[in-house]
Order: sequence, then C-alpha cells, then structure tokens
Amino acid sequence: EDKVVQSPLSLVVHEGDTVTLNCSYEVTNFRSLLWYKQEKKAPTFLFMLTSSGIEKKSGRLSSILDKKELFSILNITATQTGDSAVYLCAAPPGNMLTFGGGTRLMVKP
Amino acid sequence: ETGVTQTPRHLVMGMTNKKSLKCEQHLGHNAMYWYKQSAKKPLELMFVYNFKEQTENNSVPSRFSPECPNSSHLFLHLHTLQPEDSALYLCASSQRHNDQPQHFGDGTRLSIL
Repeated sequence: EDKVVQSPLSLVVHEGDTVTLNCSYEVTNFRSLLWYKQEKKAPTFLFMLTSSGIEKKSGRLSSILDKKELFSILNITATQTGDSAVYLCAAPPGNMLTFGGGTRLMVKP
Repeated sequence: ETGVTQTPRHLVMGMTNKKSLKCEQHLGHNAMYWYKQSAKKPLELMFVYNFKEQTENNSVPSRFSPECPNSSHLFLHLHTLQPEDSALYLCASSQRHNDQPQHFGDGTRLSIL
C-alpha cells in the first residue's frame, strides 16, 4: 500500500528559529515529491522534487530529496509568524496523489 | 488567488438534502480533481477528470456523484450524505492528468446535520 508519513505531527517554535520537517514515502512508480503549505484555505504549492540530492530554495525555505532512503526534508530558517501553517507532503504513485497527514507548525512571536 | 474557484465556501445540509459543489478553474488546465480533507486525516483523492473524462474513482460511495461538463468546470453532486461526510472538499487542477503541481481552490466546508 502506498503511504506518505510526515513528522513531527506538530511543532511550536519561536520567531527566528530554524525548523526541519520530515516526509518519508513508500509509493509505487515514484516520480516526484511535492510540498504544499496550507493555511486556512487552499494548499499552495512550494516545491516539486524529482532528483536526489539537489536542493531547491525559495527565500527562507529549502527542500531536498533522498531517493535512496525514500525521504525528503523541508527546512525553514529564521521563521516568522506568517510561516504558521500545515505543511503537506505528497507523492504521486502512478496516477494518484498520496498526501501525508501534514505537520502543523506554529511560530510564536 | 489560485485560479481555482470553489462555491459555496460553506454548506450545511441535512442527510436527506441534495446539493452540489462547484469548481471552476481559469488556468486553461485539462485535468481536475476532487479531494476530501477530514479532520486529522490526510487529504484523500476522490475523483480525477482528464479532458472531461473520468479517469479515477477512488472507491468513493455513490452518494457522491461528480460531473465535468467541460475542462473548466467540475461539480460534485451530493445526496443522502452521512455525518462522517462532513469535511473540507477541495478541488484542484493541473495542465494534464498526472502533471504536477496541482493548483487548489479554497475548498467548500461541508457540515452534515
């Protein structure tokens, strides 16, 4: 059975801290791994990773994929209160997009 | 603004009612999706449409009936729902089936009384 597991389930940090969110996956016909940020509404796309070891960056966020160990991490440096959200990891096995349960991040001022 | 618009934003209905959720995308995409997001559970894919044809039905009960009249519009018709169907229903689209990333709407928050 295909599965995507995220950890931790939730995380509380203070502004300025650095956080690392984890995503492990076991999917058939793996092609890519995606990270989304969900505040109260639509999940918004952050990164799509297809190759091992190549870091993708966007401002204070970065992500990397390890296809040998079947996991990805999402790093957020110098966190801000606006980073508070649920971060979702997803992997499409074949035609279906399988999501992890998400990590709820709360950044306190 | 994600380019994917869902209406209504909130819906409260009884178990015997019939209602429909609407999704419209302004991105020129050809694939559209329905997801269910329940509290404390991962997003679950329900249906996939590619060029108006249904390509995936992820074992969804028949009380949920999708309709895709064209590549820009997707409906989810609801009838005789159960309390456990209360959830956030998200619509998404992508350029083609299997393309990533998908672009999501803000969802319809459905409550079944």
